[in-house]
Amino acid sequence: NAGVTQTPKFQVLKTGQSMTLQCAQDMNHNSMYWYRQDPGMGLRLIYYSASEGTTDKGEVPNGYNVSRLNKREFSLRLESAAPSQTSVYFCASSVSSDRGMFGGELFFGEGSRLTVL
Amino acid sequence: LAKTTQPISMDSYEGQEVNITCSHNNIATNDYITWYQQFPSQGPRFIIQGYKTKVTNEVASLFIPADRKSSTLSLPRVSLSDTAVYYCLVGDMRRLTGGGNKLTFGTGTQLKVEL
Repeated sequence: NAGVTQTPKFQVLKTGQSMTLQCAQDMNHNSMYWYRQDPGMGLRLIYYSASEGTTDKGEVPNGYNVSRLNKREFSLRLESAAPSQTSVYFCASSVSSDRGMFGGELFFGEGSRLTVL
Repeated sequence: LAKTTQPISMDSYEGQEVNITCSHNNIATNDYITWYQQFPSQGPRFIIQGYKTKVTNEVASLFIPADRKSSTLSLPRVSLSDTAVYYCLVGDMRRLTGGGNKLTFGTGTQLKVEL
């Protein structure tokens, strides 16, 4: 059972370079999320996609763009990486929370460690 | 989104029961309380969720008093493998599609279990 798969697991970038973090889930979940985790800051929501075709900003969206490519895939793009974006990035998915369905559980990937020099 | 407050760290020994309390004074009527566990170099993992009174599963129990302004995660007979960060979240998952509450994790409680 793959669950939520993120690639790459590690990446080093130079300031100003661009890259895309890929995320795919095989649980037929409607909702997907991108978080970043920094020491002493917990996890902070960057963007989320409640369902295919929709995306919304989270707590810290600046410097990032996302694409919900299809129901399975949700990518996070850094157009011009900055040292402040050095972090561990987690993708997550959950069952749909529309139609009053309760989606209480987030399923996380193993993370992508990004270093921007 | 209801703000949560939990201890930064806790220490325990194997075989003991550990109770981690989370304060959420401004919890809303439709908010649920969810706890996650995170091991180093891994993503968080769902432990338990509840709305009121007591919820129990094979891993933990969650106690929520009548006023719902706090909750306590109880881990029975911890082992070394329970050493992790535990996060308390409060929010209404049903409103994510409407752009309402956006679930965020605080800094969590670092639990260290020793022999």
